[in-house]
Amino acid sequence: DQQVKQNSPSLSVQEGRISILNCDYTNSMFDYFLWYKKYPAEGPTFLISISSIKDKNEDGRFTVFLNKSAKHLSLHIVPSQPGDSAVYFCAARGFTGGGNKLTFGTGTQLKVEL
Amino acid sequence: DTGVSQDPRHKITKRGQNVTFRCDPISEHNRLYWYRQTLGQGPEFLTYFQNEAQLEKSRLLSDRFSAERPKGSFSTLEIQRTEQGDSAMYLCASSLAAGANEKLFFGSGTQLSVL
Repeated sequence: DQQVKQNSPSLSVQEGRISILNCDYTNSMFDYFLWYKKYPAEGPTFLISISSIKDKNEDGRFTVFLNKSAKHLSLHIVPSQPGDSAVYFCAARGFTGGGNKLTFGTGTQLKVEL
Repeated sequence: DTGVSQDPRHKITKRGQNVTFRCDPISEHNRLYWYRQTLGQGPEFLTYFQNEAQLEKSRLLSDRFSAERPKGSFSTLEIQRTEQGDSAMYLCASSLAAGANEKLFFGSGTQLSVL
């Protein structure tokens, strides 16, 4: 039962262009969404998050959009840089009163080419 | 370096052996999580602690798995009678419980290979 889905296992973008990574979820109880970035041989690193009461959150080159009716979120990176090449995980949390148990997607490998 | 530290980075063991991993969280963090990641998948929640209390365990955590956080600081994850299906990256994360804005900081993981 894959509650968080990232249907694109890989994405290739040219340096300077926009990268758009997509994520779909099925559980309407999720109230908080996060994106993590992972380099090889390292643990995931928090990138940006959004509460379910918002539809957009921006932090520098990174913007996350949430469409609750479609149960869809996306991460935009503008402009893309070679150092952005990594695996990006979408994660969702259903707040149960304690803990931050996150449900992760399967990840999208982003490659930013020169 | 004040990040989350995991030891060892790699562990190769034979089927049926017991293994133990250690996680040292960021010092002021009161919550500690264990996740498991297999190839091509995202991290999957295993269990978490608030201080020394283990508050939730996933059904993924069979009775061969046990986790402890005896003094509310470091944590250990032990797998008894390892099976080939236990081969995975075991990730530890810590956080300072802060409601909706709680953020998890992950270690680099322990890569387990069961032969």
